[in-house]
Amino acid sequence: AQTVTQSQPEMSVQEAETVTLSCTYDTSESDYYLFWYKQPPSRQMILVIRQEAYKQQNATENRFSVNFQKAAKSFSLKISDSQLGDAAMYFCAYRNSGNTPLVFGKGTRLSVIA
Amino acid sequence: DAGVIQSPRHEVTEMGQEVTLRCKPISGHNSLFWYRQTMMRGLELLIYFNNNVPIDDSGMPEDRFSAKMPNASFSTLKIQPSEPRDSAVYFCASRWGLGGRSKTQYFGPGTRLLVL
Repeated sequence: AQTVTQSQPEMSVQEAETVTLSCTYDTSESDYYLFWYKQPPSRQMILVIRQEAYKQQNATENRFSVNFQKAAKSFSLKISDSQLGDAAMYFCAYRNSGNTPLVFGKGTRLSVIA
Repeated sequence: DAGVIQSPRHEVTEMGQEVTLRCKPISGHNSLFWYRQTMMRGLELLIYFNNNVPIDDSGMPEDRFSAKMPNASFSTLKIQPSEPRDSAVYFCASRWGLGGRSKTQYFGPGTRLLVL
């Protein structure tokens, strides 16, 4: 079974600085998808960014980018120019190709310091 | 697009009572997922449906839990009888697609359940 590991239960960053959240996963599949979801205090799960394993180029969404290292099975999230609204729980998630469910990591709680 | 709709948003009940959580997926989506989130166990998949058919219910904790999807626009998760350890946030999520290029999964706002 696939597993997703987020080794940083908590992180903090100064406003306007850059922070990187770590995620590793375990799979024997070659085709899969990786995601980062944000969960603010409202509890809503919000998709931040998505990466297809067959793409070599790292995904980018405005201030959010990933460092996808397929051989190392690593998928880190970089948040640039951190804002107070970025404070939330961040979940890394994995999914096989095909219509299968997401497998989530335990999450990293990010605090942004003004 | 209204997004995934869940009701109720909050539920407080007493141990032993029946609880029914409801979900309306995004129109056109053909996969639906029920998750439970607790501090101790994080996000757990309970069950998911493809085209209204239950595919994997191995995450359902025990026989007290049941889920149905009578049509493409509605699903329920029922707990009978409820117990205090069922207290959690229950999320419904939906997605379009079958096969290799299915789309992003969208979550509802969740139902916060408290069983006293």
